[in-house]
Amino acid sequence: KNQVEQSPQSLIILEGKNCTLQCNYTVSPFSNLRWYKQDTGRGPVSLTIMTFSENTKSNGRYTATLDADTKQSSLHITASQLSDSASYICVVTPYNAGNNRKLIWGLGTSLAVNP
Amino acid sequence: DTEVTQTPKHLVMGMTNKKSLKCEQHMGHRAMYWYKQKAKKPPELMFVYSYEKLSINESVPSRFSPECPNSSLLNLHLHALQPEDSALYLCASSQEIRYEQYFGPGTRLTVT
Repeated sequence: KNQVEQSPQSLIILEGKNCTLQCNYTVSPFSNLRWYKQDTGRGPVSLTIMTFSENTKSNGRYTATLDADTKQSSLHITASQLSDSASYICVVTPYNAGNNRKLIWGLGTSLAVNP
Repeated sequence: DTEVTQTPKHLVMGMTNKKSLKCEQHMGHRAMYWYKQKAKKPPELMFVYSYEKLSINESVPSRFSPECPNSSLLNLHLHALQPEDSALYLCASSQEIRYEQYFGPGTRLTVT
């Protein structure tokens, strides 16, 4: 069964600190892996997207890594800001030659950045 | 214009009401999606339109009725909803079904 598991479930850090969020998946083969940021009550916003052949992708203070051999991805946030408080969701697209490429969503990591 | 817009932002409706959610994009995307998201859960796919035709219906109850009047607009008509239908309804679009999806801000629906 295709699954995406994220850890930790929740995390509290102080402003200015770094943190790393983890994503383990069993989806295989897969087309791409995305990290989304979702503020409470708002739609998800894409942070990074990586294909199976990519190892790392950066977007400002966000850096995602991917190890396709161990089926693990991480999202590293540098110099956290209060506005980083949100849910971070790992999403994997299964490889499918057809049109029904249903996304497989993790449950997310809830990050709180405190002053 | 690189965003997906949704209206209204909030909606409160009774179980006998008929209402509609609206989604709009002007990125030239040909695939559009409706998702339902409950608190602390990932979004659940409801419908997918491709080139203005319904491509995927994830066994959604008939009280939810999607409509795609043109390539930029996607509606979700609501009728005789239940309190358990209260959720955040997200619209997304992508260049085509195989491409990255861009999400709107969502409509917070409360059924009383």
